[in-house]
Amino acid sequence: GNSVTQMEGPVTLSEEAFLTINCTYTATGYPSLFWYVQYPGEGLQLLLKATKADDKGSNKGFEATYRKETTSFHLEKGSVQVSDSAVYFCALRVNQAGTALIFGKGTTLSVSS
Amino acid sequence: GAVVSQHPSRVICKSGTSVKIECRSLDFQATTMFWYRQFPKQSLMLMATSNEGSKATYEQGVEKDKFLINHASLTLSTLTVTSAHPEDSSFYICSAGRGNDGYTFGSGTRLTVV
Repeated sequence: GNSVTQMEGPVTLSEEAFLTINCTYTATGYPSLFWYVQYPGEGLQLLLKATKADDKGSNKGFEATYRKETTSFHLEKGSVQVSDSAVYFCALRVNQAGTALIFGKGTTLSVSS
Repeated sequence: GAVVSQHPSRVICKSGTSVKIECRSLDFQATTMFWYRQFPKQSLMLMATSNEGSKATYEQGVEKDKFLINHASLTLSTLTVTSAHPEDSSFYICSAGRGNDGYTFGSGTRLTVV
């Protein structure tokens, strides 16, 4: 079946450190891939997305590249800030726009100053 | 931007009672609403998909008679947990599908059944 696997958290970093959160997927066909972020007390917000192989999604200094050969979509940021502390979810969609997302378990990131 | 307001954010109810969770799209029409359930340290599990004016489609293993979903208008969808029991305690999240414009999520409801 279709699924998303994320690295276990929590991830604890100091400010300005490099961040990688691993995400791999299993899917039929050619899924679209997403990263969502959830700040405390808020709903999930789209961080970035990629719809085909080799696409790179980027936003707010975060990047992720759709790697079909390794079925991965790892999230990276060169220099994290305290304000990046949140839960990050990797997700995929296997059908057309408007169908449900399939999520990973989420990874909690805690950044200290 | 598109906003989905989900209420209540937290609710505690007694075992055997029913609880209604509302999701309202404030500035757009939500033709499709997804309802998810999240257990601690687990992913968001899709419970059901509802389209305005039609019956919800439930995922395998989700009891449709226990989790009643109503999507009677383009701006309101509700999830009612009937005869709630402690095992129904969880975090419930709604998400409005906006076609090619993506998805907008509510902030979630923490249900505790005592």
